[in-house]
Amino acid sequence: GEDVEQSLFLSVREGDSSVINCTYTDSSSTYLYWYKQEPGAGLQLLTYIFSNMDMKQDQRLTVLLNKKDKHLSLRIADTQTGDSAIYFCAESPFSSNTGKLIFGQGTTLQVKP
Amino acid sequence: NAGVTQTPKFQVLKTGQSMTLQCAQDMNHEYMSWYRQDPGMGLRLIHYSVGAGITDQGEVPNGYNVSRSTTEDFPLRLLSAAPSQTSVYFCASSEGGPLHFGNGTRLTVT
Repeated sequence: GEDVEQSLFLSVREGDSSVINCTYTDSSSTYLYWYKQEPGAGLQLLTYIFSNMDMKQDQRLTVLLNKKDKHLSLRIADTQTGDSAIYFCAESPFSSNTGKLIFGQGTTLQVKP
Repeated sequence: NAGVTQTPKFQVLKTGQSMTLQCAQDMNHEYMSWYRQDPGMGLRLIHYSVGAGITDQGEVPNGYNVSRSTTEDFPLRLLSAAPSQTSVYFCASSEGGPLHFGNGTRLTVT
């Protein structure tokens, strides 16, 4: 079945770049998402990429997609303490989005001052 | 803009009790879904709906019921609560693109 894998923890220093990695299994996925969850809050959509794209940049965020290897990454430039949160990768493994996403376990990003 | 509203924020139940988690959205989204979040396991899909009157099971549906009588509301019912249902529950909606999440209901079953 479909599966999404992420490493569980990443620690960086303030001002450094953070790279969070994700692998997925369903090659038919049309959309791949990154969500951010701050403590006690819901999930906030950060960015998403269509499967026919290799890269998407949005201010400090860069998403890279390697469709051949089914590998997705999120790079946060100039990481700030406010970026400390759990980051979830998710795929939409169906030809149409119907609210069914498969989520990874989440990567906890710790930013040290 | 309210978006997706979930109530209650917190709930404690005894084993065997029943309750309904409420979810409402004001964006006229066709698609709604319920997820549960457990440590180290990400979010797992419980039930989803592609429109009023249509629901289907997700990955972990046992012990939960849903109905979708209106576009706006998608309540999740726990029939007989068990400690294994202790979790954080998220409702989400979409119009075919990214999901919009509520702030969650933290449920403890003792």
